[in-house]
Amino acid sequence: DTGVSQDPRHKITKRGQNVTFRCDPISEHNRLYWYRQTLGQGPEFLTYFQNEAQLEKSRLLSDRFSAERPKGSFSTLEIQRTEQGDSAMYLCASGGRGDQPQHFGDGTRLSIL
Amino acid sequence: DQQVKQNSPSLSVQEGRISILNCDYTNSMFDYFLWYKKYPAEGPTFLISISSIKDKNEDGRFTVFLNKSAKHLSLHIVPSQPGDSAVYFCAASDSGTSYGKLTFGQGTILTVHP
Repeated sequence: DTGVSQDPRHKITKRGQNVTFRCDPISEHNRLYWYRQTLGQGPEFLTYFQNEAQLEKSRLLSDRFSAERPKGSFSTLEIQRTEQGDSAMYLCASGGRGDQPQHFGDGTRLSIL
Repeated sequence: DQQVKQNSPSLSVQEGRISILNCDYTNSMFDYFLWYKKYPAEGPTFLISISSIKDKNEDGRFTVFLNKSAKHLSLHIVPSQPGDSAVYFCAASDSGTSYGKLTFGQGTILTVHP
C-alpha cells in the first residue's frame, strides 16, 4: 500500500493527557498537511509542511498543539493537556506537484473521556 | 465564517439518474476547486478539480461546473450508481493549485437508490 498511512486509527484517552499521532505520507510527496474534522463538518486546516519546513499554521492550532516533520518524511501531531473539545478525526494529507490533489489518509479518531 | 458552503445536507436520487451537488463560496481569492468523496471510516478521496480559468471540467461520469460571477460550483454525476453513495465535499484553494491549505464545505450526503 503506497497511500498515506496514519497511526493509530483510534485513540481513547482521559482529559488532561497528552497524545501523539503519526502520519507517513506517500513517499515521493514533499508536502504534508494536517486537518481536523468534527461531526457534520468538513475537514478544517491545521498546518502544512513543505519538506521539513512548517509553512502555515491555523489559528485553530492552539499552544497545546504542535506538529513536526523532522526529516521531511513522516510527521507527528501532538496535543498536550487534552480537552473534551479536542475529540475529532485528525486527517493527514500529502501532495506532490501543485497540479496534483492532496491525498488523504484514513485518519486518527481521538476520543476524550 | 463559513467561506465554502454546501447548503444541502443530503441528496437522494435513483440509480441511472443525474446527481447534482452544489457548492457556494464567498472568498473571491479562491481560484482552484476540488471535489472529494468520503466513505465511512475512510479518508476523503479526490474526484475532480477545476481551475478558475475554466468553467467546466469533465472526467468520465463526473463533471464540475464553475460560475465565477455567482461564486458557485456544482458536481454532476451521470449516470448515478449505488456505489456513488457517500459524503461529497467541495474544497477551495487560493493558490491556483492544490498547494497550501484547502477550505472545505460541510459536505452533502448522497444516497443513490437501486
